[in-house]
Amino acid sequence: TQLLEQSPQFLSIQEGENLTVYCNSSSVFSSLQWYRQEPGEGPVLLVTVVTGGEVKKLKRLTFQFGDARKDSSLHITAAQPGDTGLYLCARMGNYGQNFVFGPGTRLSVLP
Amino acid sequence: DAGVIQSPRHEVTEMGQEVTLRCKPISGHNSLFWYRQTMMRGLELLIYFNNNVPIDDSGMPEDRFSAKMPNASFSTLKIQPSEPRDSAVYFCASSPGTSGIYTDTQYFGPGTRLTVL
Repeated sequence: TQLLEQSPQFLSIQEGENLTVYCNSSSVFSSLQWYRQEPGEGPVLLVTVVTGGEVKKLKRLTFQFGDARKDSSLHITAAQPGDTGLYLCARMGNYGQNFVFGPGTRLSVLP
Repeated sequence: DAGVIQSPRHEVTEMGQEVTLRCKPISGHNSLFWYRQTMMRGLELLIYFNNNVPIDDSGMPEDRFSAKMPNASFSTLKIQPSEPRDSAVYFCASSPGTSGIYTDTQYFGPGTRLTVL
């Protein structure tokens, strides 16, 4: 099984600060997705990255896929309490349709 | 449009009892996934179906777990007999399968929180 690692595991910051969370694997991803999960709800897709070196922006969120397609980062600018949640990365699994999820980074943004 | 619907939202049962979780995927989606989430193990894929056919059930913990998808609009996950270690949040997700396998989007339901006493 090709596992995903995410860091940090927990992150607590003040509103307005910037932060970066990471997703890594020892193997190459064909594609990678980032999800956010709020308490009591299911994960919601934020972005899919496919090309090595790709950068995608979603408002204050910037996603980067590593050149070698083994890692990805999510940077949040000027974090807000509404950004609080569990951030999960997921890579495509062996059967081409399922996804394998990382353990997540639990972010808390304090007002 | 209605999203993925799961029922019940909460289930409390005693060890040894049978538990059935239900899922209605988004209409038109051809893939359905069952996941289990715990603090210790994170989000784990249990089984997934494509066009109502089970494709990968390697994540099903043991014979006590079974899943069915009798038609495109309904799936069940059954645990019999249930054990305390089965306590978790169980999510169902569906995907359209139209974007290509590398970029398909999974839509998750709200989950069923199962507690086995």
